[in-house]
Amino acid sequence: AQSVAQPEDQVNVAEGNPLTVKCTYSVSGNPYLFWYVQYPNRGLQFLLKYITGDNLVKGSYGFEAEFNKSQTSFHLKKPSALVSDSALYFCAVRDGSWGKLQFGAGTQVVVTP
Amino acid sequence: DADVTQTPRNRITKTGKRIMLECSQTKGHDRMYWYRQDPGLGLRLIYYSFDVKDINKGEISDGYSVSRQAQAKFSLSLESAIPNQTALYFCATSDYGSGFEQFFGPGTRLTVL
Repeated sequence: AQSVAQPEDQVNVAEGNPLTVKCTYSVSGNPYLFWYVQYPNRGLQFLLKYITGDNLVKGSYGFEAEFNKSQTSFHLKKPSALVSDSALYFCAVRDGSWGKLQFGAGTQVVVTP
Repeated sequence: DADVTQTPRNRITKTGKRIMLECSQTKGHDRMYWYRQDPGLGLRLIYYSFDVKDINKGEISDGYSVSRQAQAKFSLSLESAIPNQTALYFCATSDYGSGFEQFFGPGTRLTVL
């Protein structure tokens, strides 16, 4: 079965500093990988996805993610974090051929002023 | 995403009661999903449907049932609610054209006393 792991329950970063949220995956075949963000009392919002092509994927709100096949990783990055980036971030992988997603446990990001 | 709506947004009920959570979408997607979110566990798939005549169990379907009344409507029922079903429930949609990206509703917070 396909799976993703988010090794950090929480990431703390000061505003203006680089932000990295880690994700590793385990799949058979080519991975389809996603990042979602959840703000308090809201549903999940799509940030970006990797299906094929360039290993560096650019997404919404200034986020990007780097696909690394040798390390089976898909880390989310932002060069300069904002307080408004404080939220819960989920990595996900396509599970099967029909579009199901398998989600990681989530990483809480706290950006302090 | 306003195109995916869930009712009710909050519900408090008692053990043994029957509860129905409803999801409607105006995106025209054929695929719909029900997830529950628990702290530290991420999102877990309860049921999914790829069209009106197709219903499939997810990883945690015990104690739940679903009905796909139309392409746009997908309901989740708890026949006899129990306290460990207290969680945040999300509906999501996708289709082949969305590149496996799923679009989420705002969630229903269910508390079973």
